[in-house]
Amino acid sequence: DGGITQSPKYLFRKEGQNVTLSCEQNLNHDAMYWYRQDPGQGLRLIYYSQIVNDFQKGDIAEGYSVSREKKESFPLTVTSAQKNPTAFYLCASSIQGVRGETQYFGPGTRLLVL
Amino acid sequence: AQSVTQLDSHVSVSEGTPVLLRCNYSSSYSPSLFWYVQHPNKGLQLLLKYTSAATLVKGINGFEAEFKKSETSFHLTKPSAHMSDAAEYFCVVTGFQKLVFGTGTRLLVSP
Repeated sequence: DGGITQSPKYLFRKEGQNVTLSCEQNLNHDAMYWYRQDPGQGLRLIYYSQIVNDFQKGDIAEGYSVSREKKESFPLTVTSAQKNPTAFYLCASSIQGVRGETQYFGPGTRLLVL
Repeated sequence: AQSVTQLDSHVSVSEGTPVLLRCNYSSSYSPSLFWYVQHPNKGLQLLLKYTSAATLVKGINGFEAEFKKSETSFHLTKPSAHMSDAAEYFCVVTGFQKLVFGTGTRLLVSP
């Protein structure tokens, strides 16, 4: 089955801890994205990558970091600098990352702070 | 800048009655528009997409949307609601190298 997988489904973070959310796709897509979803708000873009070893900040990148060492993988690290990390995190991918392209979403990871 | 406004945060219908979810958009160029659906604690699923080929777009599960440039609207409709349609729906417009999401409309379907 082709698709996007995210793990874990739920993640708990302690004060001052960095945590990493996994996103893997086997769709052979070049572009990958990370979004944050808070109740009552639409999705907000954290980071995106159009090609391996390159990524760009989105609208709310502060307190987050990413890497893109492989085409199929785009992990997101929520650092201790992110003071309000509790949210639902969604990873997406698209064929090339050009304007107008459909993005396909993973099932999400819910991050909770202990 | 591109933006979307979903005019209702919640819509309640009875099973078997029509569904109308309203979306207005703003775009400085010819937009691509999407409707996505999200069931609780799940990812987003594409319902349909407008890319200027036809103003009436048919999607999955009996949904359709009509692009009206004069009204800058892209409302989502379905003739007859089903219990399984209860979910959150997002209207989305393309921005520069990203998608711009509305704040969502929660559809409630009662028996």
